[in-house]
Amino acid sequence: EVQLVESGGDLVQPGRSLRLSCTASGFTFGDYAMNWVRQAPGKGLEWVGFIRNKANGGTIQYAASVKGRFTISRDDSKSIAYLQMNSLTTEDTAVYYCTRDNSGTYSYFDYWGQGTLVTVSS
Amino acid sequence: QLVLTQSPSASASLGASVKLTCTLSSGHSSYAIAWHQQQPEKGPRFLMKLNSDGSHTKGDGIPDRFSGSSSGPERYLTISSLQSDDEADYYCQTWGTDIVGTGIVVFGGGTKLTVL
Repeated sequence: EVQLVESGGDLVQPGRSLRLSCTASGFTFGDYAMNWVRQAPGKGLEWVGFIRNKANGGTIQYAASVKGRFTISRDDSKSIAYLQMNSLTTEDTAVYYCTRDNSGTYSYFDYWGQGTLVTVSS
Repeated sequence: QLVLTQSPSASASLGASVKLTCTLSSGHSSYAIAWHQQQPEKGPRFLMKLNSDGSHTKGDGIPDRFSGSSSGPERYLTISSLQSDDEADYYCQTWGTDIVGTGIVVFGGGTKLTVL
């Protein structure tokens, strides 16, 4: 059974940093691209970024709203994807989900985690 | 620019059918999309991938009551024999490139389905 478990969400002050983790199980992690998606309170889904698998170069793309502040990485030996978030603002308050891409590059999401809440507030 | 448009809300009666629409922006009518369901206070769940020819691949355990179809730039999700737990937000999602050729993923704004 495919499982994605996010962790690391917390209450942080504006300007600070936070790292989220997504621990995967039930599939060969290195075969798939992984994505991060967020959902602000009462709002819709917003794509944050993806990381391709190593066979597709392991390249990363980000949404314009987070580019330069957020960094996605992966550790295939541990089956974990990370989202490093720097220079956080109140606009980054959201539930953050990791998703498995159906391919090794980027396409559609066939599995979602349960999400982890990040609150940015002074 | 790659954009997905969804009506904000829809409603239908218990036991009836409903057809939700996701519209691709001009120039992108051949794109595949995915449908995702988000029940209240839960994380999203993948329902199906829907191709431009109407063929679709469902996620694990998705019942036959959920089906997809396509016409031009429109992508449809039909739910038949509506049940109370079908009351949820439904999002479409697609992928492509932005104006400078960078890979992007796009969501529609979501449709809130109310089961009466």
